[in-house]
Amino acid sequence: DAMVIQNPRYQVTQFGKPVTLSCSQTLNHNVMYWYQQKSSQAPKLLFHYYDKDFNNEADTPDNFQSRRPNTSFCFLDIRSPGLGDAAMYLCATSRKTGDLNEQFFGPGTRLTVL
Amino acid sequence: RKEVEQDPGPFNVPEGATVAFNCTYSNSASQSFFWYRQDCRKEPKLLMSVYSSGNEDGRFTAQLNRASQYISLLIRDSKLSDSATYLCVVKISGGYNKLIFGAGTRLAVHP
Repeated sequence: DAMVIQNPRYQVTQFGKPVTLSCSQTLNHNVMYWYQQKSSQAPKLLFHYYDKDFNNEADTPDNFQSRRPNTSFCFLDIRSPGLGDAAMYLCATSRKTGDLNEQFFGPGTRLTVL
Repeated sequence: RKEVEQDPGPFNVPEGATVAFNCTYSNSASQSFFWYRQDCRKEPKLLMSVYSSGNEDGRFTAQLNRASQYISLLIRDSKLSDSATYLCVVKISGGYNKLIFGAGTRLAVHP
């Protein structure tokens, strides 16, 4: 049974055309994360929600925004995608905090910018 | 300097070989340590946590040296299905469950 679901799995957009990526979870976890992963690079944390509290990483561009309307759903909005934003976008969840709380990842959305 | 550094590989080994991956981290406030596995074009999945005393899970053994800020993963009797990228991951103390990922070491096991 899918626990972290991402839609769509593949997204193609045009340069500058806004795009929204979706993540949902059935784990009832408090924390949801968005990562960007480019080819052969480490997943890079963009931001996370701890319940309704939004936490932006210092180096996340303003072009990236997020919404979490309820516990189950979280969205990543890219306001004006550039060619450099082509990447895999991974959503993850975890319970609150704690040293060994595992993060569960969704299958990712691969974004192509034309 | 990257916060978590790994040899990118690839490590090409025959089935049955023993292979070891190393990882160094720069933040002395790192509190917890993990190895994640990522198959090609798939999401990362937790392989194992790494404990100070070292720990083993079947063919996989993880070691931690806090003094040297060094983590290792040993895979014995490699299987074809072990082919993947292995990500070294650290959690920084305090606050929420923020993980810092290494870029991964790619392993290719051949017949």
